[in-house]
Amino acid sequence: DAKTTQPPSMDCAEGRAANLPCNHSTISGNEYVYWYRQIHSQGPQYIIHGLKNNETNEMASLIITEDRKSSTLILPHATLRDTAVYYCIVRVAGANSKLTFGKGITLSVRP
Amino acid sequence: IAGITQAPTSQILAAGRRMTLRCTQDMRHNAMYWYRQDLGLGLRLIHYSNTAGTTGKGEVPDGYSVSRANTDDFPLTLASAVPSQTSVYFCASSDGNRRSPLHFGNGTRLTVT
Repeated sequence: DAKTTQPPSMDCAEGRAANLPCNHSTISGNEYVYWYRQIHSQGPQYIIHGLKNNETNEMASLIITEDRKSSTLILPHATLRDTAVYYCIVRVAGANSKLTFGKGITLSVRP
Repeated sequence: IAGITQAPTSQILAAGRRMTLRCTQDMRHNAMYWYRQDLGLGLRLIHYSNTAGTTGKGEVPDGYSVSRANTDDFPLTLASAVPSQTSVYFCASSDGNRRSPLHFGNGTRLTVT
């Protein structure tokens, strides 16, 4: 599995964009980047994933650099409910491949 | 409501006792997983199953066993619980496509005394 590196924590103001960085310099060409988050006491929740193109859904946007060695998850208008641990994960190629979670980044959204 | 159901929600267990954590999904997903989560260590994979009838070891399999008799159920058994197995356990599933996200249950909080 390609390893990912995330800063341990960050904060942002409510209503502002939260930009969460992730480094995955050893990613292989057929590995996808996934983002999950975990709100306290709940199971992890899938947010978004991508291969090399930028992706957007109702929750967030994912920006992947051209060399694919890093990515940024963007929450365009953070709310207090977005306070959570966010995990950046690279998935091993192949069907039914398992995910390896690191320690994630703790995002604190302040009023 | 479709999803993953874990039981029990929480449990206090005496060391040396046997315990089975239950996990059921109704999404007909091929792959299922068991993770444990401990403070400061993130989520660590215990065992997984790519399809009914097969299982595999994850990062921290010692002291745990699983079975996958059918598509929907993936129980995790602690044959003889020890205090270091105190943790929050999450079950997850995916449809097996490598791009498909994992869906997680709400976890079982286990305390071994």
